[in-house]
Amino acid sequence: DAKTTQPNSMESNEEEPVHLPCNHSTISGTDYIHWYRQLPSQGPEYVIHGLTSNVNNRMASLAIAEDRKSSTLILHRATLRDAAVYYCILRDNQAGTALIFGKGTTLSVSS
Amino acid sequence: SQTIHQWPATLVQPVGSPLSLECTVEGTSNPNLYWYRQAAGRGLQLLFYSVGIGQISSEVPQNLSASRPQDRQFILSSKKLLLSDSGFYLCAWTRQAFNEKLFFGSGTQLSVL
Repeated sequence: DAKTTQPNSMESNEEEPVHLPCNHSTISGTDYIHWYRQLPSQGPEYVIHGLTSNVNNRMASLAIAEDRKSSTLILHRATLRDAAVYYCILRDNQAGTALIFGKGTTLSVSS
Repeated sequence: SQTIHQWPATLVQPVGSPLSLECTVEGTSNPNLYWYRQAAGRGLQLLFYSVGIGQISSEVPQNLSASRPQDRQFILSSKKLLLSDSGFYLCAWTRQAFNEKLFFGSGTQLSVL
């Protein structure tokens, strides 16, 4: 299975940009990179996904390295509500339709 | 629009008692269905997934079982709960297509005492 590596925790201040890194050096050519986040006591929610090109949506931006071995989730202006655990996941074709989550990065946002 | 319902929200059960958690999805047909567990302070662990009625794949051998008696119903069960079964249980679904997003339910916090 293709694995991802993320820092255990990161800190940010409100209104500042946040760059959450993810390494996936064993990614295969057809694996998509997905990001989810989990607020306390809630189920995870989808944030963004991409294959090769950078992606933007109303929640965040996803920057994918040219060799696809790493990616970065960008929150342009962190708010207190962005404090959550952020998961970087590869769509694992060999496991069928299952999505395997790692431990993620716990983001703390200070006012 | 599609919705996913999971209940109960919280559950306290004695060791050795049975368990039944139910999850239903509305507004879609033939979804892929998943059960995840999150122990306190830990990441999400995939327990079971299903691509159709009666089709269950188990990711981790343990004290739990899953069933899918209807297209949009997914049930997590145990005959005898262990202390180690405590955790936050999440049901999720995706459409039957490649690279679809996961939609999660609100979860069940299970405490086995």
